[in-house]
Amino acid sequence: QVQLVQSAAEVKKPGASVKVSCQASGYTLTGYYIQWVRLAPGQGPEWIGWINTNSGGINYAEKFQGRVTMTRDKSTSTAYMDLSGLTSDDTAVYYCARGAAMAVLVTQGPFDYWGQGTLVTVSS
Amino acid sequence: SYELTQPPSVSVSPGQTASIACSGDNLGEKYVCWYQKKVGQSPVLIIYQYNKRPSGIPERFSGSNSGNTATLTISGAQALDEADYYCQAWHRSAAVFGGGTKLTVL
Repeated sequence: QVQLVQSAAEVKKPGASVKVSCQASGYTLTGYYIQWVRLAPGQGPEWIGWINTNSGGINYAEKFQGRVTMTRDKSTSTAYMDLSGLTSDDTAVYYCARGAAMAVLVTQGPFDYWGQGTLVTVSS
Repeated sequence: SYELTQPPSVSVSPGQTASIACSGDNLGEKYVCWYQKKVGQSPVLIIYQYNKRPSGIPERFSGSNSGNTATLTISGAQALDEADYYCQAWHRSAAVFGGGTKLTVL
């Protein structure tokens, strides 16, 4: 069965960086995009961006450009999201989700499987 | 920037029909997805491409989309349907989510 397993919760100080991992199993990582979304208390989900796990191509939300880096390691079927310059506003649960298959447009694909989430707390 | 607007809350009696709206400019021209999120769990895809249900999602969940409004309908709501529901669409290569609707079944 398809599974996305994320790394454990993190506590970071303002100005630091965090790297969240997302290991895929039950399917071929490079056959689908990986999307990253965060959910802060009392707010709707916020899309961070996607990575083409085959080519490594990326598309980041404008809000996060310059602060986020998405990568993948094909050998371990793992995607990564690195967010720098953390502030308290970045405190949220971060999710990876499987997006569209490579054979279709990324914008036509739903987020059909989600990781369990990684709580990132930014506090001094 | 593109926005999707949802009512903050909807209430429904068990066995009745609940409708959750999601509005956005020309939303009817876009694929809309709906996600269910329960406390302590990850979001679950329940509707995609207007009105398709992933395997395992009950038939009581359905979607429609026309004009500026997409609607999630839950026919015969059950207590276990109590959750937050989010709509999502793509706008210019960026995914956009609604702010969410808390469904209360009482």
